[in-house]
Parts: sequence; C-alpha cells; structure tokens
Amino acid sequence: QVQLVQSGAEVQKPGASVKVSCKAAGYTFTSYGVSWVRQAPGQGLEWMGWISAYDGTTKFAQKFQGRVSLTTDTSTSTAHLEVRSLTSDDTAVYYCARSVAALAPPDYWGQGTLVTVSS
Amino acid sequence: DIQMTQSPSTLSASVGDRVTITCRASQSISRWLAWYQQIPGKAPRLLIYEASTLKSGVPSRFSGSGSGTEFTLTISSLQPDDFATYYCQQYNSYWTFGRGTKVEIK
Repeated sequence: QVQLVQSGAEVQKPGASVKVSCKAAGYTFTSYGVSWVRQAPGQGLEWMGWISAYDGTTKFAQKFQGRVSLTTDTSTSTAHLEVRSLTSDDTAVYYCARSVAALAPPDYWGQGTLVTVSS
Repeated sequence: DIQMTQSPSTLSASVGDRVTITCRASQSISRWLAWYQQIPGKAPRLLIYEASTLKSGVPSRFSGSGSGTEFTLTISSLQPDDFATYYCQQYNSYWTFGRGTKVEIK
C-alpha cells in the first residue's frame, strides 16, 4: 500500500535551517510528484511547493521562493524539504503529500513532522 | 493569488443531520476544487476532487457540487466519525486552501 513516512520532530534555533525527509513506498516514486504543506499550531493548511520525482521540476508558493529547497533521491524514493533562515513563524507541522502533477490534489499524505523554532 | 473563503468557520450538528459547507473562490477556478477532512493530530484526507468526484473508498454520504466560484460539500447524514475539520482547496493556479470548517457535536 502507498505510504509516505516522514522524519521525526525537530527543534531549531532562529536563523538555523531544517531538513525534513519523506520516504515513499508502495508505488513507483518517479511517476508522481511530492508537495509540501505546513500547518501552524491551531491554524489552516498552507502549500509551500511541489517537486516532480521524475525530472526534479519544482514549483513554489511565492512566499517561500528562495528560502525553501525541494529535492528528491530516486535511489531511496525519498523527498526532502529544506527551510532556511527559520523564525518562530515557521513553527508548524510539515506534511509531504503525493500528487500526480503540480496542479493535482494529493491523494496520500505523510504523517507530518513537527518543527519547533525556539531560542 | 486565488483566495478561498469557507463558511461557516464552525458548525454544530447532531448525528443524522444533513450538513452543508460552502467555499467561494476569489476568481473562477472551473471545477478544480478538492475537499479534505482532518481529524486533530492527523494528516488531511482527500474526500472529493474536481468539485464532485468522490475519491475511492470515501462514503457516499459525502458529496460535492459547484463550479466557477461557488462550491459546496454536503454530508447527507452526519456520522460520529465525521466530526472533524473540513478544508476546501483550489488547484486551478497552484494551491490555496480555505481556512477550514470545524464540525462539532451539538
């Protein structure tokens, strides 16, 4: 069955960077893309960006352009999100989600990774 | 950016009630709209895509309608598992989510 398993919770200081991983299983990794969505405590969902696992093409929400990197490792079927220059506003649960294209809704989600930014 | 406005933000209902949630887009998105259910502490779950297509495995009491800028999610007979927060999402131009509708027990 399709599974997206994310890395564990992180605590980082303001100004630092964080990298979250998302390991896919149960499907052909390169036939889909991976989107990243975050959810601040008690808040709604915010799309950050999408990467094609086929050719590495990326799309970003304007808000995150330049501060977020998306990569994939097809040898391990893993997608990675890196967020730089963290502030307390980046404290959130970060989700990866599978979608066939950048403009397609995701049908499977990871379990989420809590990133806490605190001095 | 396309803005998505959901209403109501909170809805109190009883088991067996018919429930309707509305989502309005700031510009036409054709039928490129999805609905998700989220239980606290869990990832969102896709219910409906292309405004009215039920994802495989989702109970038929869930239905969606609309096109252009006005959309609705209807739960025909609310069940105990349905008390959750529901989000709409447009995917006509990247993605934008509504702020969510919390369905709580009356």
